[in-house]
Amino acid sequence: NAGVTQTPKFQVLKTGQSMTLQCAQDMNHEYMSWYRQDPGMGLRLIHYSVGAGITDQGEVPNGYNVSRSTTEDFPLRLLSAAPSQTSVYFCASSRLTGTDSYNEQFFGPGTRLTVL
Amino acid sequence: AQSVTQPDIHITVSEGASLELRCNYSYGATPYLFWYVQSPGQGLQLLLKYFSGDTLVQGIKGFEAEFKRSQSSFNLRKPSVHWSDAAEYFCAVGGSSNTGKLIFGQGTTLQVKP
Repeated sequence: NAGVTQTPKFQVLKTGQSMTLQCAQDMNHEYMSWYRQDPGMGLRLIHYSVGAGITDQGEVPNGYNVSRSTTEDFPLRLLSAAPSQTSVYFCASSRLTGTDSYNEQFFGPGTRLTVL
Repeated sequence: AQSVTQPDIHITVSEGASLELRCNYSYGATPYLFWYVQSPGQGLQLLLKYFSGDTLVQGIKGFEAEFKRSQSSFNLRKPSVHWSDAAEYFCAVGGSSNTGKLIFGQGTTLQVKP
């Protein structure tokens, strides 16, 4: 049981390049999400998904696309990288058990992205 | 709108001393509250969570937190800090039921002096 995995761990891009950050979980979780972490700003939600084929925007979605074709995978795409997207990106997943409780969100180890 | 505030950006305590990290939230209904810890270069690990019931919740690594509805607070405490507790701590609130979304505070960095 690997939990939540993210690749790559580190990436350097030039402005205007595109790339995909990979996220996978093997816990059969319905919910998956992407956050970015910047100093002094905590974690901000980029996009999230409550199941295969269902995605929605979070707090800071501009410049990022997502899709959820399977339960396991939730890739994050940067279409045209900008220096403002330099950050650490975390993927997380959890079960959804109805209206009365949340389950713990499990986080991946993160991807450190630098855009020059 | 829902929000979480951690008033202390950085805290330094001596090893063996007690610790309290503050968290205030803004939420219109019953909140779902969490504390996570992030060691340097690592992902986030759940320390504890509050959904309902007893307002004093116990977590891993000897941490506890108390939910105070009247003060909109969910402060994290530990009676005796160890050097390995040095990390960044995040408070989070569930944005709405059945979506799984979390809103995080800005984080508090804990430094432990020997």
